[in-house]
Amino acid sequence: GAVVSQHPSWVICKSGTSVKIECRSLDFQATTMFWYRQFPKQSLMLMATSNEGSKATYEQGVEKDKFLINHASLTLSTLTVTSAHPEDSSFYICSAAGTGADTQYFGPGTRLTVL
Amino acid sequence: AQSVTQPDIHITVSEGASLELRCNYSYGATPYLFWYVQSPGQGLQLLLKYFSGDTLVQGIKGFEAEFKRSQSSFNLRKPSVHWSDAAEYFCAVARNEDNDMRFGAGTRLTVKP
Repeated sequence: GAVVSQHPSWVICKSGTSVKIECRSLDFQATTMFWYRQFPKQSLMLMATSNEGSKATYEQGVEKDKFLINHASLTLSTLTVTSAHPEDSSFYICSAAGTGADTQYFGPGTRLTVL
Repeated sequence: AQSVTQPDIHITVSEGASLELRCNYSYGATPYLFWYVQSPGQGLQLLLKYFSGDTLVQGIKGFEAEFKRSQSSFNLRKPSVHWSDAAEYFCAVARNEDNDMRFGAGTRLTVKP
C-alpha cells in the first residue's frame, strides 16, 4: 500500500525560530499533497493544498507567510513554520494523493512544541 | 462546500458489545466518504471508504459502514468491540473532483472491560 512518511516525528524549538517538516511519499508519485493541523482533542483542519511545481493554495485564515509550503518534487513536500510561537504548537499531518487518485494517504504526523 | 457532522463526541461501550458511530455529511453531489481511526499521538489509519456501488462497505478490523443517501449518513459499525478499538474515530468527506477532504470533529471511543 501507499506509504507516506514525515520527518521529524517530534520537534521542540524556541520561540522565534523556524522549523521545517518534511512529507514524503515513499512508493508513489504524489501530484497533490495536503497539510493539516490538529490541536489536542480536536479534529484535523486543512491548512493548504499543494500541487507539484506550483504554489500552494491556503485555506482561509492560514497565514501563507508564516506557513511556507514547498512541493518541489513528486515525492516531497515541506512545511516551514517561520518565527514559531507557542500558539503554533500543534500536531501537523500531511497527506498525499497520486494522479487521478481518489484516496489520500496520511503521514504519521509531526508534533511541534514551541517553548 | 462539503461538511461533516459527528454528533457524538464520546462513546463508551463494553468489550464485546456492538458499536455504531454516527456520521452525517452535507454535499451537493455524491461524495467520497471515509472513516479513519487515530490512536493517541499517532497519524490516521483508513478503516474504509465509499465512492460508489454497494452502499454497505467492509473495512479493516471488522468494521463496516453503510451509505444512506436519503439520510445523508455514513455510520460506522462493528458487531463486537475489542479493547484495542479504543481510539478517536473521524469521518471525512471529499469532493470527487479534487480530493478536497473535510473531517468531522471526531468521536472518542472508550471500551470498558
